[in-house]
Amino acid sequence: QKEVEQDPGPLSVPEGAIVSLNCTYSNSAFQYFMWYRQYSRKGPELLMYTYSSGNKEDGRFTAQVDKSSKYISLFIRDSQPSDSATYLCAMSANGNNRLAFGKGNQVVVIP
Amino acid sequence: GAVVSQHPSWVICKSGTSVKIECRSLDFQATTMFWYRQFPKQSLMLMATSNEGSKATYEQGVEKDKFLINHASLTLSTLTVTSAHPEDSSFYICSARDLAGANYEQYFGPGTRLTVT
Repeated sequence: QKEVEQDPGPLSVPEGAIVSLNCTYSNSAFQYFMWYRQYSRKGPELLMYTYSSGNKEDGRFTAQVDKSSKYISLFIRDSQPSDSATYLCAMSANGNNRLAFGKGNQVVVIP
Repeated sequence: GAVVSQHPSWVICKSGTSVKIECRSLDFQATTMFWYRQFPKQSLMLMATSNEGSKATYEQGVEKDKFLINHASLTLSTLTVTSAHPEDSSFYICSARDLAGANYEQYFGPGTRLTVT
């Protein structure tokens, strides 16, 4: 079983829809959970960060972590064509350590 | 914001030659830098963790003699792909941890696309 599982998609949604992305993981030691956005041929950029379980909201983005289920989610409200990118979940045990990435989920927002 | 640059952004080389990729943190100091490889439609695979002034730590299955890493200063790490072969063609991305920032924060460079012919 891979450390981090993420359905690669692609996921196509109409502009204005809610985008829902998720990852599952197997390592119960993970405490730091991140979502990165990666545009084609570019490096990832950090979108959201959550420590341990809980929710975090930043503008149109909401990240949720459920450690009991080993499940994390990212929601994008009022999606825009500029949100079209690959979204990668990543996590680590203590922040100093290596990040374990999901495969990435390609999202296409159709105008 | 924290900026990480990579040079070159793309390179084409012949099989058997060596290629050096630079990763620089432009506005912060980074004791730790990470090197990743990404194949098309695949996730980032960590190759090695580079610490300033010490030997890099390689992930299982990554040949340290093939992928030479040097982290000579707090703002520069280099990855040299030695005797490159077509199967080394990939997107190489570095990231850097801000010495003064939160432990979890890694800032990624824009990546270097290597094509070996």
